[in-house]
Amino acid sequence: DSGVTQTPKHLITATGQRVTLRCSPRSGDLSVYWYQQSLDQGLQFLIQYYNGEERAKGNILERFSAQQFPDLHSELNLSSLELGDSALYFCASTPTGKGETQYFGPGTRLLVL
Amino acid sequence: GENVEQHPSTLSVQEGDSAVIKCTYSDSASNYFPWYKQELGKRPQLIIDIRSNVGEKKDQRIAVTLNKTAKHFSLHITETQPEDSAVYFCAASINTGFQKLVFGTGTRLLVSP
Repeated sequence: DSGVTQTPKHLITATGQRVTLRCSPRSGDLSVYWYQQSLDQGLQFLIQYYNGEERAKGNILERFSAQQFPDLHSELNLSSLELGDSALYFCASTPTGKGETQYFGPGTRLLVL
Repeated sequence: GENVEQHPSTLSVQEGDSAVIKCTYSDSASNYFPWYKQELGKRPQLIIDIRSNVGEKKDQRIAVTLNKTAKHFSLHITETQPEDSAVYFCAASINTGFQKLVFGTGTRLLVSP
């Protein structure tokens, strides 16, 4: 157990819908990262937050957004969902976001029908 | 930006054999290289990492080597066991400012008894 938690574990929804994925970092970690892993694909970096502020952006679609709250948990919002958005979504956390090991949560499996 | 290539995509070995997975990176400024193991449907778990000021690092049956001149790094697993079967991802990042990991496409390792 990495100490990073994610909810829900599974999510099934329909095209065009909006969902919110939640991540709680390890105790004491200020930085949160979001990744998308499609079937048999690698990990694509989406976005990073540090202490409530966006710090780095990857290939995140405009339909996706994220935020980090004062209690340091983070939410990834996916809207106007398409079939191709079906994937595993992981978050990871580190203490400062600068060169430390990233510990991953268990992931949320999203299925868009 | 950084690009990481990983080979082979699949690797089958007999129990007790050694396995080697190779990655190359494009940005000479990259200075942190972790390796993650991911079992089916599970989170990526860090198994070993190396920083650019070190050429080799070992942890029991696992070792990683780094050649900064050639911009490649490799994972070596000796005395493989069936429980080593998983997908292995390499990654690279630049640690100036906030870290952004770029992952390779993964290697599916199958260890047969």
